[in-house]
Amino acid sequence: QSALTQPASVSGSPGQSITISCTGTNSDVGGYSYVSWYQQHPGKAPKLMIYDVIKRPSGVSNRFSGSKSGNTASLTISGLQAEDEADYYCCSYAGGSTVIFGGGTSLTVL
Amino acid sequence: QLQLQESGPGLVKPSETLSLTCTVSGGSISSSSYYWGWIRQPPGKGLEWIGSIYYSGSTYYNPSLKSRVTFSVDTSKNQFSLKLSSVTAADTAVYYCARHFRVPGIAAAGYFDSWGQGTLVTVSS
Repeated sequence: QSALTQPASVSGSPGQSITISCTGTNSDVGGYSYVSWYQQHPGKAPKLMIYDVIKRPSGVSNRFSGSKSGNTASLTISGLQAEDEADYYCCSYAGGSTVIFGGGTSLTVL
Repeated sequence: QLQLQESGPGLVKPSETLSLTCTVSGGSISSSSYYWGWIRQPPGKGLEWIGSIYYSGSTYYNPSLKSRVTFSVDTSKNQFSLKLSSVTAADTAVYYCARHFRVPGIAAAGYFDSWGQGTLVTVSS
């Protein structure tokens, strides 16, 4: 069971939009609609940003959105702000009563 | 407001057993809507799901750790616990406990909607 594949880093300027990909297989990302995304600032616990591929928890900015196509899920952040600079992790149900995380993506706001 | 707090030794010797407890406040661990999970993060690395437990005692483990992991739950204390045996330096990590929203009918499916602050456990002699 290998980690889901995410780019190591992405960057963008304030006000721009960025997308972070999360690639798995048809046994995890592609097979279920249980993909979630987490934001983690340095030294802090992860925070849920997106669940069930596209749903946003109460209190999370609508600048964050999720999608999925085939075996790849994506997190898009629009209107990039300095406070969005953090690590982002995807997570998927992987069948067989297991859960798998992505390797993480470091977002830099230029 | 739900809060989770990890507790346990910050230093464990190689080959010994790592033991952590998560205390839940502001909500009941006996809720049918949730599992209770453990996730770890080695220094400078990504997140790894260790497993999750339901209040009834049903457990779901990461296959890569299953042979060394044991979960338990104490509903009277609103706590759940992790034991990881035969630890090595590779088990050095920040260990998080989290509430794991449960998808009915699909064991272990869901998402982690509330997290503890995490506790660093170092494996060293």
